[in-house]
Amino acid sequence: TQLLEQSPQFLSIQEGENLTVYCNSSSVFSSLQWYRQEPGEGPVLLVTVVTGGEVKKLKRLTFQFGDARKDSSLHITAAQPGDTGLYLCAAMNYGGSQGNLIFGKGTKLSVKP
Amino acid sequence: KAGVTQTPRYLIKTRGQQVTLSCSPISGHRSVSWYQQTPGQGLQFLFEYFSETQRNKGNFPGRFSGRQFSNSRSEMNVSTLELGDSALYLCASSALLGTFYNEQFFGPGTRLTVL
Repeated sequence: TQLLEQSPQFLSIQEGENLTVYCNSSSVFSSLQWYRQEPGEGPVLLVTVVTGGEVKKLKRLTFQFGDARKDSSLHITAAQPGDTGLYLCAAMNYGGSQGNLIFGKGTKLSVKP
Repeated sequence: KAGVTQTPRYLIKTRGQQVTLSCSPISGHRSVSWYQQTPGQGLQFLFEYFSETQRNKGNFPGRFSGRQFSNSRSEMNVSTLELGDSALYLCASSALLGTFYNEQFFGPGTRLTVL
């Protein structure tokens, strides 16, 4: 069974601080995605990483895919209250199709002003 | 372009009843997937439909079923509801085929409460 483990599960920080969220697995993935979900809404795709070692930046968010394509990290610089939400990593299930994703349980981030 | 819409947004049912949830994908998207989200288990894949055919099914009992219509709209049905079926049910649509990764667009979900 493929699993994606995210850490930490909860994170509460002050505005302006930096943070890193991790997504780890013992399985190799062809690609990995990061989503953010706000209360009462569905997840929204932030980024897809596909190449081992790849680094992608989205404003203050930096995403990295591990060299072995088993893990990924999300780093937020100078967090703002608007970054508050549930951050989820996801990958296509082995042997599955494109619409079949497995998700980590998420990191719930709270950024206080 | 309108996003994925789900109806109803909230639903309260009692044990033993059945429920039908509806999802309208983004115009032009032919793939629709359903997920169940609970605090304990997180997001779990239910099933995926493409061109009215179920392509994949997650590890859920047969009480959970779905279908897709010719206009790509999809419904999922849960029969004989149990307390543990209380969850946020999310629908996602996708247009990309032939790539090894997909981009799914999620609807806001239907919050189902079983009493």
